Amino acid sequence: GNSVTQMEGPVTLSEEAFLTINCTYTATGYPSLFWYVQYPGEGLQLLLKATKADDKGSNKGFEATYRKETTSFHLEKGSVQVSDSAVYFCALSDQTGANNLFFGTGTRLTVIP
Amino acid sequence: DGGITQSPKYLFRKEGQNVTLSCEQNLNHDAMYWYRQDPGQGLRLIYYSQIVNDFQKGDIAEGYSVSREKKESFPLTVTSAQKNPTAFYLCASSISAADNSPLHFGNGTRLTVT
Repeated sequence: GNSVTQMEGPVTLSEEAFLTINCTYTATGYPSLFWYVQYPGEGLQLLLKATKADDKGSNKGFEATYRKETTSFHLEKGSVQVSDSAVYFCALSDQTGANNLFFGTGTRLTVIP
Repeated sequence: DGGITQSPKYLFRKEGQNVTLSCEQNLNHDAMYWYRQDPGQGLRLIYYSQIVNDFQKGDIAEGYSVSREKKESFPLTVTSAQKNPTAFYLCASSISAADNSPLHFGNGTRLTVT
């Protein structure tokens, strides 16, 4: 079956620190992989995506590379800001054609000045 | 501005009552979805609709019902049969139900049933 495993939070970092949030997946076939971000009191927003092995998704200074050999899609940012404080969800889309997303449990990031 | 509107933001109901959550989108998207979010868990799919007058059960459809009479609207009814209805409910839409079509989410409705 399909599943996503994220590192548990919460994660607390100082401003300008390096961020890594680990994500590994189990899937049949060749899924697409996503990171979504949820700011306080809001719904989720797509942060970045990758649709095939070795693709790198990037947006707003965040990056993640689709690693088929390690079934991973770790999220990284070189220098976090207070405004990056949010919950981050890793997700995969299977190939059923129904755009059904399987989400990880989310990782809460707090960045302190 | 185009987007997805969920209303109300907070909803309170007594146990045994049905309650309907509203979701409207003006993005001209064909596909719409309902997810449930619980603390410490990822989002779980309740129902989705690929096109008007069609909808499919997701992973946790029991105790819920939906309709899709208009492209713009996908209301979710939480029935009294839902054993644990208190949760944060998120509606989403996408251009199509095809893979890789990004989902656009509303800001959610927090339902509390006592």
